[in-house]
Amino acid sequence: DIQMTQSPSTLSATVGDRVTVTCRASQNINIWLAWYRQKPGKAPNLLIYKASTLESGVPSRFSGSGSGTDFTLTISSLQPDDFATYYCQQYNTYSRTFGQGTKVEIK
Amino acid sequence: QVQLQESGPGLVKPSETLSLTCSVSGASVSSGNYYWSWIRQPPGKRPEWIGYIFYTGSTNYNPSLKSRVTISADTSKNQFSLRLGSVTAADTAVYFCARDTLDGIDYWGQGTLVTVSS
Repeated sequence: DIQMTQSPSTLSATVGDRVTVTCRASQNINIWLAWYRQKPGKAPNLLIYKASTLESGVPSRFSGSGSGTDFTLTISSLQPDDFATYYCQQYNTYSRTFGQGTKVEIK
Repeated sequence: QVQLQESGPGLVKPSETLSLTCSVSGASVSSGNYYWSWIRQPPGKRPEWIGYIFYTGSTNYNPSLKSRVTISADTSKNQFSLRLGSVTAADTAVYFCARDTLDGIDYWGQGTLVTVSS
């Protein structure tokens, strides 16, 4: 099983801040990584796939990078809508696993 | 616009079988390069992939749940279903059905809370 570990678990920030979330895979997953944003009581929403490809309709302030085992999600200028929990998810194999999440909260 | 909607009991007794159905509109479960998936999320925890059914009818399951899980599809109703046997309190979660594009999960149902309790 591939394990996914995110850091930090919680991040305090203000509107306009540049925010970075890190995800590490327990083994090489090439570029087969997706990022999601989840708001309370809602399903996760796909932001990025193939580590760096922006999903259609997602604002350009979101970007992703990385390959192999280390990946990053960056929000260039945090907006009020972005206070939420972010998950990475690998799809290198037939199975899928999610990171434990990073909660972005208001400072 | 693709839409998915879960349905089924919100309360299941321990040792019994959890059964949920996902109704799909705007896409066909019997065509296209998609994995029709079930994912669950215990309160306050990360999502956990349960498994999926491909449009060909082939399935794959989370190894930790494989002995208890069956996912099937009814193409005449454009639905797919989840059965999880021998449930315990640890199976209490919000259950989501979703469409996996092989490059991320792009459409999700709203989720349904299933509580395992006597």
